[in-house]
Amino acid sequence: GAVVSQHPSWVICKSGTSVKIECRSLDFQATTMFWYRQFPKQSLMLMATSNEGSKATYEQGVEKDKFLINHASLTLSTLTVTSAHPEDSSFYICSAIRGSEGYTFGSGTRLTVV
Amino acid sequence: TQLLEQSPQFLSIQEGENLTVYCNSSSVFSSLQWYRQEPGEGPVLLVTVVTGGEVKKLKRLTFQFGDARKDSSLHITAAQPGDTGLYLCAGESSSASKIIFGSGTRLSIRP
Repeated sequence: GAVVSQHPSWVICKSGTSVKIECRSLDFQATTMFWYRQFPKQSLMLMATSNEGSKATYEQGVEKDKFLINHASLTLSTLTVTSAHPEDSSFYICSAIRGSEGYTFGSGTRLTVV
Repeated sequence: TQLLEQSPQFLSIQEGENLTVYCNSSSVFSSLQWYRQEPGEGPVLLVTVVTGGEVKKLKRLTFQFGDARKDSSLHITAAQPGDTGLYLCAGESSSASKIIFGSGTRLSIRP
């Protein structure tokens, strides 16, 4: 089946620095990918839709200048958390659609900002 | 804004018991999916339902999509400790190619 890979699986960074998370579709091309954030004991909240070759579409309340999304190829989308703060600490998950198989999710990236 | 409310939020039952998790919305969805998520991992798709009134079975799990395609239920028969996890419903609207997750149901099955 379709596989979506995220890297890194966990990262710790200092407050004020930026962190980049990668999401790759390993065996298929994905023109659209999605980024979610999940806080402890909560569900997944959609942050933005990443579109290959064009600007991402952000959900209401998500700061596009803070969460930079780049989808430069059909197999890679990146999420950069800029000027990270402790409240940005969360579990970030990406997903992609592969035809009739529907949505496939990555294994997530746990970000801890100290 | 489409909202998907799941109930109950938490459920702890004894092994062998049956349970039902509900997913409700005021919005109509073109399809609805159920996922199970383990700690520290991404959600894994269990089933997709697309037709109002549709019922799908996956071993001891039975999924139903409401006639109006606004709600769904997940019924587990003879629950086992391996069923423990976070169960999430997610709806896809016909107007936007994206899915919105429900609030989640954390299930714990005691041996």
